[in-house]
Amino acid sequence: DIVMTQGALPNPVPSGESASITCQSSKSLLHSNGKTYLNWYLQRPGQSPQLLIYWMSTRASGVSDRFSGSGSGTDFTLKISSVEAEDVGVYYCQQFLEYPRTFGAGTKLELK
Amino acid sequence: EVQLVETGGGLVQPGRSLKLSCVASGFTFNNYWMSWTRQAPGKGLEWVASITNSGGSTYYPDSVKGRFTISRDNAQNTLYLQMNSLRSEDTATYYCTRRGGHYFDYWGQGVMVTVSS
Repeated sequence: DIVMTQGALPNPVPSGESASITCQSSKSLLHSNGKTYLNWYLQRPGQSPQLLIYWMSTRASGVSDRFSGSGSGTDFTLKISSVEAEDVGVYYCQQFLEYPRTFGAGTKLELK
Repeated sequence: EVQLVETGGGLVQPGRSLKLSCVASGFTFNNYWMSWTRQAPGKGLEWVASITNSGGSTYYPDSVKGRFTISRDNAQNTLYLQMNSLRSEDTATYYCTRRGGHYFDYWGQGVMVTVSS
């Protein structure tokens, strides 16, 4: 199975500052079609997860441009510029290259 | 508007069975693969099962293979998860999810399953 390892945030993050969340996969997620099958989700307190980023760097519909995804085949970063109150929650990375689909353990974002 | 509404959760004894349902609306159900993903209390996300748009193929992680069965009724726009031989470690909120591409683009509100004697 592909293991997804997420880094922690130096919480709490001051409002208006930027925050970067890291994720590492145990295997390259670069597909032969050139797409990298790495997704990011946000789960706000008491809510279901929502898709933020897919194919490593493509924002999902309706997602603020304050969110951006980047990386290589095994190392990924979700950057949130100018953190706001609505960004509070747990962020998960997920690989979609192989079965079983696996998620990282989650990274909690708290606001100062 | 895409909606996924799960039902069927509850308290069940270890070793017993439970069947979850997810009614989909707001999109052409038979065009999409569907999945179930779960979250144990206070824990992270775990993919549980996927099914192709036709229902012809299914996929499971080892943790539930042989015990859980995903199925769908495209005429009723409904996704199912039959869970047998339930264990305490199956206690979780179960989310119905739509596969938009190589990602889960819509999630239901979730339904709680508690396995306890």
